[in-house]
Amino acid sequence: KAGVTQTPRYLIKTRGQQVTLSCSPISGHRSVSWYQQTPGQGLQFLFEYFSETQRNKGNFPGRFSGRQFSNSRSEMNVSTLELGDSALYLCASSPAGTDTDTQYFGPGTRLTVL
Amino acid sequence: AQTVTQSQPEMSVQEAETVTLSCTYDTSESNYYLFWYKQPPSRQMILVIRQEAYKQQNATENRFSVNFQKAAKSFSLKISDSQLGDTAMYFCAFMKGGNQFYFGTGTSLTVIP
Repeated sequence: KAGVTQTPRYLIKTRGQQVTLSCSPISGHRSVSWYQQTPGQGLQFLFEYFSETQRNKGNFPGRFSGRQFSNSRSEMNVSTLELGDSALYLCASSPAGTDTDTQYFGPGTRLTVL
Repeated sequence: AQTVTQSQPEMSVQEAETVTLSCTYDTSESNYYLFWYKQPPSRQMILVIRQEAYKQQNATENRFSVNFQKAAKSFSLKISDSQLGDTAMYFCAFMKGGNQFYFGTGTSLTVIP
């Protein structure tokens, strides 16, 4: 099976712009989670989608949003970008998002905000 | 709230030697899961090992094993016979019901030839 893929791999944006990141889970996986990774804060949970519904949400401002499509692909959107949004954004997929599942991570999208 | 603490930001080990990475966590949950993930330089994160809290037996995966002390809320990772390919950032993670992960800040491990 192909692994989790994320596009694009690298992005450079300026403050105030918005950005959309994409994540394609492993085939058959229905749960997709998003994380922000920064050197200072480590990995922080953004949100999780399952069957097109947001099931869990971390402690991030409303500028961060996401959605999931019927084929389980997920997008994450950040509006009104700030310098502090520069980070590696990781998505992870799991079959059903249950306690027994293991999350499989994608390579990440490196976002730089200038 | 759940917290995961990795108190060793950086560690190094000689090739073929054994190294132990520490992790402690805080939770009021009784049933949960613990993980160690590895993130090699510029490569994606992969699962190293997982432990179910209800299992008393420590998980083992080849050269990787854990020392899970539930009462002490400690979950350390032991890497035996360290190899150059083990050089990576290692993250300890906690998951309770709901598929929400909490990660530690990571330990950067360097294996020295």
